[in-house]
Amino acid sequence: QQQVKQSPQSLIVQKGGIPIINCAYENTAFDYFPWYQQFPGKGPALLIAIRPDVSEKKEGRFTISFNKSAKQFSLHIMDSQPGDSATYFCAASRTTDKLIFGTGTRLQVFP
Amino acid sequence: DTGVSQNPRHKITKRGQNVTFRCDPISEHNRLYWYRQTLGQGPEFLTYFQNEAQLEKSRLLSDRFSAERPKGSFSTLEIQRTEQGDSAMYLCASSRGRQGGTEAFFGQGTRLTVV
Repeated sequence: QQQVKQSPQSLIVQKGGIPIINCAYENTAFDYFPWYQQFPGKGPALLIAIRPDVSEKKEGRFTISFNKSAKQFSLHIMDSQPGDSATYFCAASRTTDKLIFGTGTRLQVFP
Repeated sequence: DTGVSQNPRHKITKRGQNVTFRCDPISEHNRLYWYRQTLGQGPEFLTYFQNEAQLEKSRLLSDRFSAERPKGSFSTLEIQRTEQGDSAMYLCASSRGRQGGTEAFFGQGTRLTVV
């Protein structure tokens, strides 16, 4: 019940494409769902986060879609750039509690 | 730089030796978390502090691991009698806590290699 399942494991898109990464959770007590971006050898950096009272949140080129009834949420990256090539992790938690991370998606954006 | 700071960035040690890592959180953050990340995996929770109190420890945190946060400021994570399976990136994160917000910010991590 503590798991967060993330897919796909890897993703390759052309510049300008819209990669979509999906996550699913079981624990209905989770009320905070962030996405992190990680470059090799660096710590994860918070990208965007959502709470279950909204179905979509957009910040710049990053959008989270949230489906509370399906217990799923996804990250969309609009107009993807080679600089977006990184590993993306979804996570879930109860407010201020520890984060439970997905297994990550390695994104490669080719020019 | 006002972000989360971790030292050292890299540590190579022989099996059986003890190692200690340090984390300096963002100054106004009262929650501090330790995570471990192995290659190709997401970070896994180890333990967290609310100010100086250690509130939760994962089952991953064997009795060879100990963490402290004296005076609610910086934190240390010590691994005694290191094993090759301890090789990983150790990440520290901090957040304001319940009253101030949920966002957790990570440091750059300490990469431990046990040979």
